[in-house]
Amino acid sequence: DAKTTQPNSMESNEEEPVHLPCNHSTISGTDYIHWYRQLPSQGPEYVIHGLTSNVNNRMASLAIAEDRKSSTLILHRATLRDAAVYYCILSDAGNNRKLIWGLGTSLAVNP
Amino acid sequence: DAGITQSPRHKVTETGTPVTLRCHQTENHRYMYWYRQDPGHGLRLIHYSYGVKDTDKGEVSDGYSVSRSKTEDFLLTLESATSSQTSVYFCAIRAPGQGKYEQYFGPGTRLTVT
Repeated sequence: DAKTTQPNSMESNEEEPVHLPCNHSTISGTDYIHWYRQLPSQGPEYVIHGLTSNVNNRMASLAIAEDRKSSTLILHRATLRDAAVYYCILSDAGNNRKLIWGLGTSLAVNP
Repeated sequence: DAGITQSPRHKVTETGTPVTLRCHQTENHRYMYWYRQDPGHGLRLIHYSYGVKDTDKGEVSDGYSVSRSKTEDFLLTLESATSSQTSVYFCAIRAPGQGKYEQYFGPGTRLTVT
């Protein structure tokens, strides 16, 4: 199974952009890249996903490298509510699209 | 809000007793999942279901069984609870659609086995 590598922790200031990196050098051609986040004491929450092209939604942007071996989740203006653990995940290429979770990046946002 | 509830939300039980956790969804989604989350580990898939009476094992299925007799309910059973099964358990459903593999999670059940 393809795995992802993320920094254990990052820190940002409120209202500044945050770039959360993820390496997935063994990604296969059919694997989607997903980002989830988990706020304290809550279940994970879907953020964004992509395959090859960059993606934007109301929560964040996803920048995918041309060779797909890395990606970056971009929060355009961090708020205190964005403090969470962010998971970069590849979907299993099989029929049932299981998600393979790592330990994620714990993001702290300073006021 | 994906309409997912889990019950109970908290449970303390003794080693050797059976425990059943319930996941209920209101969206009629086909795929449902049970995960456990422990410190130092990412979420780990226990079992999943791809339809009524259709289930399959995940990466940490030993000691757990599941049942899905109705679309809306996915039950996780610990036949004889052990202390190693102390964990937070999350249920999830998967949104359908081409390229859409978002999973939506319930609030979790904190299980303590003493």
